[in-house]
Amino acid sequence: DADVTQTPRNRITKTGKRIMLECSQTKGHDRMYWYRQDPGLGLRLIYYSFDVKDINKGEISDGYSVSRQAQAKFSLSLESAIPNQTALYFCATSDVDIRNEQFFGPGTRLTVL
Amino acid sequence: GNSVTQMEGPVTLSEEAFLTINCTYTATGYPSLFWYVQYPGEGLQLLLKATKADDKGSNKGFEATYRKETTSFHLEKGSVQVSDSAVYFCALSDRRGGAQKLVFGQGTRLTINP
Repeated sequence: DADVTQTPRNRITKTGKRIMLECSQTKGHDRMYWYRQDPGLGLRLIYYSFDVKDINKGEISDGYSVSRQAQAKFSLSLESAIPNQTALYFCATSDVDIRNEQFFGPGTRLTVL
Repeated sequence: GNSVTQMEGPVTLSEEAFLTINCTYTATGYPSLFWYVQYPGEGLQLLLKATKADDKGSNKGFEATYRKETTSFHLEKGSVQVSDSAVYFCALSDRRGGAQKLVFGQGTRLTINP
C-alpha cells in the first residue's frame, strides 16, 4: 500500500463550487504539505502543517484553506473554485529533519471549468 | 529570498548519451540540496541529496555535487536510458523564519529516444 494517498485522483468541477482534496499518510510523520504544480512553474507551496495544532500559509495560499484533522490527515479546500486553480495538486510528508526527504502522494488533477 | 533556477527544458537525448541538467541556487546559510524525479503519472520521488558543501549525492547512476563556491548542484549521468525519461526538479531546504520547507526549481523535462 502507498504511504501517502490522495483522493480523488482526478476531479472536474465548475467555477464557484466548493472542492475538498484529501491526503492521508501512514508514515507517522508530523509534517504535511500541500503543493500545486503548473507547467513551467515547478511546485509551489500552498500550506504546510508541522503538527495537528500548527497550520502555516505557503507562498500561494489565497483562495485555499486547509484542515489537519489528525496526524495522518491533511485536507485542502477550495471554497469557491476558479479556472486558474486548474492544476496538479500534491500532498507531501516529512519528518522533523529538513535534511531528509519529503514523500509525495500521487497527485490530484483538478480541472475547474 | 531563497530560490532555485534550473536549465530550460525540454531536453531530448539519444540512449547512452551523457546528461547534464544545470541547477543553481540562491540561499542564505547552508541549505541541503535535492534532486527529485517525477515519472509520468506519478508523484515526485527523491533521486539524490547532499547536505553540505562538497558532498556528492548519487543514485541509479545519477550524480550531483554540492558546489558552494558556484552555488550549483548540477545533475549528471554518464549513459542515459529510455527509462530515465521524466521531469527532474532541483530543490533546496529553506529555514527562513524558523520554518523548514523545500523550494523547488521549475523542473526540466527529459526525453530519451531509443
